[in-house]
Amino acid sequence: ETGVTQTPRHLVMGMTNKKSLKCEQHLGHNAMYWYKQSAKKPLELMFVYNFKEQTENNSVPSRFSPECPNSSHLFLHLHTLQPEDSALYLCASSQGDREVDTQYFGPGTRLTVL
Amino acid sequence: GQQVMQIPQYQHVQEGEDFTTYCNSSTTLSNIQWYKQRPGGHPVFLIQLVKSGEVKKQKRLTFQFGEAKKNSSLHITATQTTDVGTYFCAAMDSSYKLIFGSGTRLLVRP
Repeated sequence: ETGVTQTPRHLVMGMTNKKSLKCEQHLGHNAMYWYKQSAKKPLELMFVYNFKEQTENNSVPSRFSPECPNSSHLFLHLHTLQPEDSALYLCASSQGDREVDTQYFGPGTRLTVL
Repeated sequence: GQQVMQIPQYQHVQEGEDFTTYCNSSTTLSNIQWYKQRPGGHPVFLIQLVKSGEVKKQKRLTFQFGEAKKNSSLHITATQTTDVGTYFCAAMDSSYKLIFGSGTRLLVRP
């Protein structure tokens, strides 16, 4: 499946580094999402963009900064992360239709913070 | 906020046995979706249920939406090793965000 791509697939960073995760969707969708998936918690919604506008920020720490330059691209900028931020970060996209909205996930970026 | 409870957390079955995972909410749901995540993979959409009492089948998988639209189940008949993975239910909350259950991890002994 290549509808939603994410890079890099794996990332190891120190707590003082700055890095960015990239997501691109080729499905013509209007909404894009960042999720965090860790071993101890279910899928946690972090950010939602609908028509390039951020419509949701689920109390995410400011060390995570999203950017959505257009409806096909989504970034997650990372800085001064903590070891507990190590997780699988999943990007997803959907039509943005409020009533019936299936999400298509990318392969994820496995992040390890040392 | 809305929560979706999913049980069991894990299920280990012998190949050929049946498997069921349950999803429950304290509030009425407008619809419910099911996703499967293979080990090392990402969640993949399986199906969406919208109507009260709705039942849908995909080969050996049977999905049900409760009459009160507060619960749902996924049943797999005669499991195969290819069924291994984590199954998530997800419900849309009042602000149209998908809330995922904690998932049921299925392991199948060959």
